[in-house]
Amino acid sequence: DIVMTQSPDSLAVSLGERATINCKSSQNILSSDKQCLTWFQQKPGQPPKLLIYWASTRESGVPDRFSGSGSGTDFTLTISSLQAEDVAVYYCQQHYSTPLTFGGGTKVEIK
Amino acid sequence: QVQLQQSGPRLVKPSQTLSLTCAISGDSVSRNTAAWNWIRQSPSRGLEWLGRTYYRSKWYNDYAVSVKSRITINADTSKNQVSLDLNFVTPEDAAVYYCAGGFALDPWGQGTLVTVSS
Repeated sequence: DIVMTQSPDSLAVSLGERATINCKSSQNILSSDKQCLTWFQQKPGQPPKLLIYWASTRESGVPDRFSGSGSGTDFTLTISSLQAEDVAVYYCQQHYSTPLTFGGGTKVEIK
Repeated sequence: QVQLQQSGPRLVKPSQTLSLTCAISGDSVSRNTAAWNWIRQSPSRGLEWLGRTYYRSKWYNDYAVSVKSRITINADTSKNQVSLDLNFVTPEDAAVYYCAGGFALDPWGQGTLVTVSS
C-alpha cells in the first residue's frame, strides 16, 4: 500500500497569512505524466470536498487562493491568504493504485 | 451535476450485515469511464477506502484487503445505484460511511453514521 504522510498535524495561521500543508507519498504516484494526487477540504459534519486534482489543477469554483504543487513523492497545498471560511481539515489522497489511501489530515485554524 | 444520495440503517448489531445504498443522479452507474467507491471515516482509522465497482464491458470490483473477505459492492443498473454489504460487523466497523464517484473521489454522498451495537 502507498502510505501518505501529511505534516503538520495542525497549524494556526493569522487571517490573510499563508498556510502550507505538506504531503509525502511512500512511492512515486506519476501515471501518464500526471501526479495522481488529490487534495480535499473537510468541514465538521460534511463530506470531504475536492479542491485540487492531478496535484495542481484547481476544481471549478475553488478560490484561487488554493494552489497545489509538487512532484515525485512530495506535494504541497498552499492557501495564499487564509480566510475564516478556510478553517477545516485538509487531506491528501493518492489514486495511483489500490487501495486508494489518504493522509492523516491537517487541521487549519485561525491564530 | 452528479449527486449521490445515501440510505440505509444507522444501527447494526454485531455479527450482522451492514447494508447501504447510494443512489446516483446526473450520471449513469454503468458509464464506461465512471467508478463508484465506498469509503469510511472514524477517529481511529481516519479516511479508509473500502472498495469500488466500475463497468468496462463487464463489471469489475476492487476491495481493500482489510475487508476483502466481508465486503460486496454491487451496481443496480435498473435503479442507477450502488450498494455496500459488509458482513459480520464488529464495533470496529462503526464509522461514517460515504459513497464517492470517480477515480479521484468526486462527488461524495452525504455520509451515513453507522453504529454497531446490540
